[in-house]
Amino acid sequence: GAGVSQTPSNKVTEKGKYVELRCDPISGHTALYWYRQSLGQGPEFLIYFQGTGAADDSGLPNDRFFAVRPEGSVSTLKIQRTERGDSAVYLCASSLGSQGRREQFFGPGTRLTVL
Amino acid sequence: AQSVAQPEDQVNVAEGNPLTVKCTYSVSGNPYLFWYVQYPNRGLQFLLKYITGDNLVKGSYGFEAEFNKSQTSFHLKKPSALVSDSALYFCAVRSDSGNTPLVFGKGTRLSVIA
Repeated sequence: GAGVSQTPSNKVTEKGKYVELRCDPISGHTALYWYRQSLGQGPEFLIYFQGTGAADDSGLPNDRFFAVRPEGSVSTLKIQRTERGDSAVYLCASSLGSQGRREQFFGPGTRLTVL
Repeated sequence: AQSVAQPEDQVNVAEGNPLTVKCTYSVSGNPYLFWYVQYPNRGLQFLLKYITGDNLVKGSYGFEAEFNKSQTSFHLKKPSALVSDSALYFCAVRSDSGNTPLVFGKGTRLSVIA
């Protein structure tokens, strides 16, 4: 079946611009996660949705970052006034439920470059 | 706070030899432990997990991992390495208490040499 998809695969933007990154989870998966992976590091948690609501946004680095999941399926990560330090690979994952024992299935990521 | 340590940035092994990729963790409560693999230009793929029960967990592609509570470790192993196993491996942990985020280690690059 179809896995988690993310668009675009690459995004190059200029400092100060606004970007949107999209995640399409596996059908039927109620939990959706966003992570950020910098070079040489493991993924770092940003935000998690259970259904339409953000259940935990403790990983968002500041108020320039925001994410939505209005219909409980597709999610969009929004970054305002981008900075060079935002450059990273942004990963999306989904799971069948939010219980800690559930494995998460990851998309291929969006590589964001802020010039 | 939860944390994961992967003490080796790089592991080199000859094809056909056994391999071990090390992982230690710190978590409040009991751990849920996961191993993921990342191939170039591809997303992370789930390999195996420990939730409860038998300390030896078997997963995809012949990999297994042993949970050791006293040493707080969850090392990934394979009896006979293949060149195609060359990739980046990540260990991750979350607590069984509360809905805490999954925390990843920095990753270990495995290189299997023919």
